[in-house]
Amino acid sequence: KAGVTQTPRYLIKTRGQQVTLSCSPISGHRSVSWYQQTPGQGLQFLFEYFSETQRNKGNFPGRFSGRQFSNSRSEMNVSTLELGDSALYLCASSLGQRQNYGYTFGSGTRLTVV
Amino acid sequence: AQKITQTQPGMFVQEKEAVTLDCTYDTSDPSYGLFWYKQPSSGEMIFLIYQGSYDQQNATEGRYSLNFQKARKSANLVISASQLGDSAMYFCAMRVYEYGNKLVFGAGTILRVKS
Repeated sequence: KAGVTQTPRYLIKTRGQQVTLSCSPISGHRSVSWYQQTPGQGLQFLFEYFSETQRNKGNFPGRFSGRQFSNSRSEMNVSTLELGDSALYLCASSLGQRQNYGYTFGSGTRLTVV
Repeated sequence: AQKITQTQPGMFVQEKEAVTLDCTYDTSDPSYGLFWYKQPSSGEMIFLIYQGSYDQQNATEGRYSLNFQKARKSANLVISASQLGDSAMYFCAMRVYEYGNKLVFGAGTILRVKS
């Protein structure tokens, strides 16, 4: 079955612009979460969605937002981009919220802010 | 606070030998899950192995095994018979519940397999 699909793979944006990243989870998976990976901060949790509801949010400014649609696809948006937002953004899908449900990650979107 | 510590920034191993990547964790929650992921240079996070806090036996998946020592709060990954394709970054992660689920990651260990 198809894995987690993230689009686009690469993105270059200018400071001050906004960007929207997309994630299509594995069919049947209802939970989608997002992570930011940078060399300095490592992997940090952004937010988690389950059945179109945000269940958990990491310690990021309000410029970072997301949503989940009825088909479980998720988007995250970053407004007023800053140079420090340059990162690999990873999406992970899971069947649900049980402790032993694993996460499957996508290949990520590499965002460069210039 | 929940935390994952990987103390080995980088490791070298000879092809066909076994290697152990260290991971210690900190949590006060009695129910948690521990994961290991591999991240090649392409960026994708590849799931390797899972250990639940209540699992009695150490997890194994092919050449990967998890040495789970609950009292010491350690969950070391053992890769047997290393292959050149094992060269990558390896992350230990813990699934925690705070109003919802999330993964807390360690800083990672870069593994280089030598021929």
